[in-house]
Amino acid sequence: AQTVTQSQPEMSVQEAETVTLSCTYDTSESNYYLFWYKQPPSRQMILVIRQEAYKQQNATENRFSVNFQKAAKSFSLKISDSQLGDTAMYFCAFMLLSGGGADGLTFGKGTHLIIQP
Amino acid sequence: KAGVTQTPRYLIKTRGQQVTLSCSPISGHRSVSWYQQTPGQGLQFLFEYFSETQRNKGNFPGRFSGRQFSNSRSEMNVSTLELGDSALYLCASSLGPLGGELFFGEGSRLTVL
Repeated sequence: AQTVTQSQPEMSVQEAETVTLSCTYDTSESNYYLFWYKQPPSRQMILVIRQEAYKQQNATENRFSVNFQKAAKSFSLKISDSQLGDTAMYFCAFMLLSGGGADGLTFGKGTHLIIQP
Repeated sequence: KAGVTQTPRYLIKTRGQQVTLSCSPISGHRSVSWYQQTPGQGLQFLFEYFSETQRNKGNFPGRFSGRQFSNSRSEMNVSTLELGDSALYLCASSLGPLGGELFFGEGSRLTVL
């Protein structure tokens, strides 16, 4: 079974700062996707960024980027120029691809990110 | 384009009762998956349906079941409710079962008394 670990239950930074959220995972498989999801106080989960394991290039989406270290099984999220609207729970998630399809997401426990004005 | 719609948003049940939750995916999406979110266990995968067939199932007892209709709408049912079933139940839809982006609904908050 796969596991996802987020070691930072809560982080707080000032607006406009850069923050990095950590995530490690454990799997013996080689074909998988990794995700960061954001869950604002309204509760609707939103995809922030996705990384295919076979791609060496780190994914980026505007102010969001990842540092994907496959050998170390590490998948951190960097948020640049943080904004008040970035305040939310952030979940790292793993999806195994197998048998022509994909398994359900395995989530970490989450990091509560607070952006201070 | 309408998002994923879950009903009801809030409900209160007592132990021993059963509950049915509904999820309408984004138009054109054929895959629907369900997750349970609790403070203690976090987010856990329940099951996934694609083209009316259950493709995957998480580690939950048989009291948890689901189905998908021909229009891709899905329902999940929990029978013989226990206090520990109190949770936010999230539904997510995607175009297909191949690891694409999941779009989540706002969830159904179930409280079991």
